[in-house]
Amino acid sequence: DGGITQSPKYLFRKEGQNVTLSCEQNLNHDAMYWYRQDPGQGLRLIYYSQIVNDFQKGDIAEGYSVSREKKESFPLTVTSAQKNPTAFYLCASSLIRGPDGQPQHFGDGTRLSIL
Amino acid sequence: KQEVTQIPAALSVPEGENLVLNCSFTDSAIYNLQWFRQDPGKGLTSLLLIQSSQREQTSGRLNASLDKSSGRSTLYIAASQPGDSATYLCAVRGSARQLTFGSGTQLTVLP
Repeated sequence: DGGITQSPKYLFRKEGQNVTLSCEQNLNHDAMYWYRQDPGQGLRLIYYSQIVNDFQKGDIAEGYSVSREKKESFPLTVTSAQKNPTAFYLCASSLIRGPDGQPQHFGDGTRLSIL
Repeated sequence: KQEVTQIPAALSVPEGENLVLNCSFTDSAIYNLQWFRQDPGKGLTSLLLIQSSQREQTSGRLNASLDKSSGRSTLYIAASQPGDSATYLCAVRGSARQLTFGSGTQLTVLP
């Protein structure tokens, strides 16, 4: 089945530690996105990438880093500079075709907590 | 900066009722609007996408409308079922290909 796989489902971070969240898609989508969701709130964009080896900051990029070495993969690193990392992290992907945009498809998320 | 508001934040209805969820946005220069469903602890499932040139989209018991000039969209759910219980999120896409999300409406359909 085609889809987006996020791992791990749950992740715990110690103080001062960097952690990396995995996102893989086999939908052959061009664009990939990382969002953060806090309780009772909508999603906020962290980073997005429309092509391999290129990515742009979203609204809340501070304390996060990404890479896009392969079309299928878009890992997110939560660095020690992110002082409030506890949240639900969602990865999404979409085609880039035409001016109006294509629907974004989401993975099942990774819940990050601080030890 | 685009802002998306969803009212009400929570809604509880008896099974079988028809219901409407509301979404409003401040900047009418959008490319599309997407409605999602989110079950507890899960990712988002895309329900409907309305392009800026369209007025509505339908899928089964769901109908979404878009009025760009007034900055509003509604999601109509016909003959609600307990399995419809979830949080419903709307999101609008601007020129930067970014989605701006509302905070969602948490729907509970009582058997």
